[in-house]
Amino acid sequence: GDSVTQMEGPVTLSEEAFLTINCTYTATGYPSLFWYVQYPGEGLQLLLKATKADDKGSNKGFEATYRKETTSFHLEKGSVQVSDSAVYFCALLTYYTGANSKLTFGKGITLSVRP
Amino acid sequence: SAVISQKPSRDICQRGTSLTIQCQVDSQVTMMFWYRQQPGQSLTLIATANQGSEATYESGFVIDKFPISRPNLTFSTLTVSNMSPEDSSIYLCSVGRDRDGYTFGSGTRLTVV
Repeated sequence: GDSVTQMEGPVTLSEEAFLTINCTYTATGYPSLFWYVQYPGEGLQLLLKATKADDKGSNKGFEATYRKETTSFHLEKGSVQVSDSAVYFCALLTYYTGANSKLTFGKGITLSVRP
Repeated sequence: SAVISQKPSRDICQRGTSLTIQCQVDSQVTMMFWYRQQPGQSLTLIATANQGSEATYESGFVIDKFPISRPNLTFSTLTVSNMSPEDSSIYLCSVGRDRDGYTFGSGTRLTVV
């Protein structure tokens, strides 16, 4: 079945450091890929998305490129801030039985950024 | 994107009781989804609720434990029945616009004592 694998966490970085969070997936067909973020005490928010191979999603300085050849969607940011401290989830959207769809999440990774 | 109002935001319940969680959307949507997020874990899909039909449950989740109602295109409820401490989780409803991404409610933090 469909699955998402994220790198093990947690991750702790100093402010202005470069961030990479790895995400790989297994899916049939042509899934859409997403990164969601959950700030402390808040709900889940869509951070960025990519709907087809080679698409690059970007938002708030974060980027991720849909790599079909490596089935990956790694999240990157050139310079993290303390306010980026949150839990990050990689997810994929697949379709089944016609128009029905399903969003599958990775385990999530906690990012802590030190001043 | 849709705006979702979910309530209650949190509750502490006695084991053996039931809690009904409500999810109201500001626009009509075909499908609504219910997820569970256990402490320190990822989100797991409980069921998909289409208006006018029975909800479709994922493996490991049954209607007797998690009955769902979907009376119209903007509202759904999830009931957690006969609760035990293992049901302590965050429960979230979600609506989707497929490739545009899904929107989530702020969640219901449930503690069973």
